[in-house]
Amino acid sequence: DAKTTQPNSMESNEEEPVHLPCNHSTISGTDYIHWYRQLPSQGPEYVIHGLTSNVNNRMASLAIAEDRKSSTLILHRATLRDAAVYYCILRGNTGKLIFGQGTTLQVKP
Amino acid sequence: GAGVSQSPSNKVTEKGKDVELRCDPISGHTALYWYRQSLGQGLEFLIYFQGNSAPDKSGLPSDRFSAERTGGSVSTLTIQRTQQEDSAVYLCASSLEGQFPPLHFGNGTRLTVT
Repeated sequence: DAKTTQPNSMESNEEEPVHLPCNHSTISGTDYIHWYRQLPSQGPEYVIHGLTSNVNNRMASLAIAEDRKSSTLILHRATLRDAAVYYCILRGNTGKLIFGQGTTLQVKP
Repeated sequence: GAGVSQSPSNKVTEKGKDVELRCDPISGHTALYWYRQSLGQGLEFLIYFQGNSAPDKSGLPSDRFSAERTGGSVSTLTIQRTQQEDSAVYLCASSLEGQFPPLHFGNGTRLTVT
């Protein structure tokens, strides 16, 4: 499975938008880009996924670069409850998710 | 509805003892995954079930680790002769069949080997 690169940590102010970047330069044509987040003392939670087009759901938006070598998870208005580790994962034909270290997001009131 | 349920939530065991960890997936979910997460680390894939068979066991760290799934539902992860390095949170996830449906995770079993 191809690898992703994310910043170790990011900070945001409450009620401001947050853009979490992810680089995946070795992505293959069949890899989907998945985002999960893990709140403290909980299992990971699905956030969003996409292949080529930008995606929106009730939790977030996913912006995918035209060459698919990078993507950005957008939280439109961060809340304190959004403080978590965010994982960007490429999911290929094997189906399993290979987690990296993720980005730890801190949200300041 | 009910999510993925794991039991026990915490388990303390002595080095050398065997432990069994249980996962009850969401009803109707045919795929089931086991991961472990050591303190401050990311998630490490262990094994994947589709129905009762395990097409991918590539993440099991040694032959002390085994898992089974019966009736296409409940799964147990067994660790024999536990070692201190086995201490971690063991997470189970399940999903529907189909093309890359989301995984739904339980809150894990925290295993401490003393």
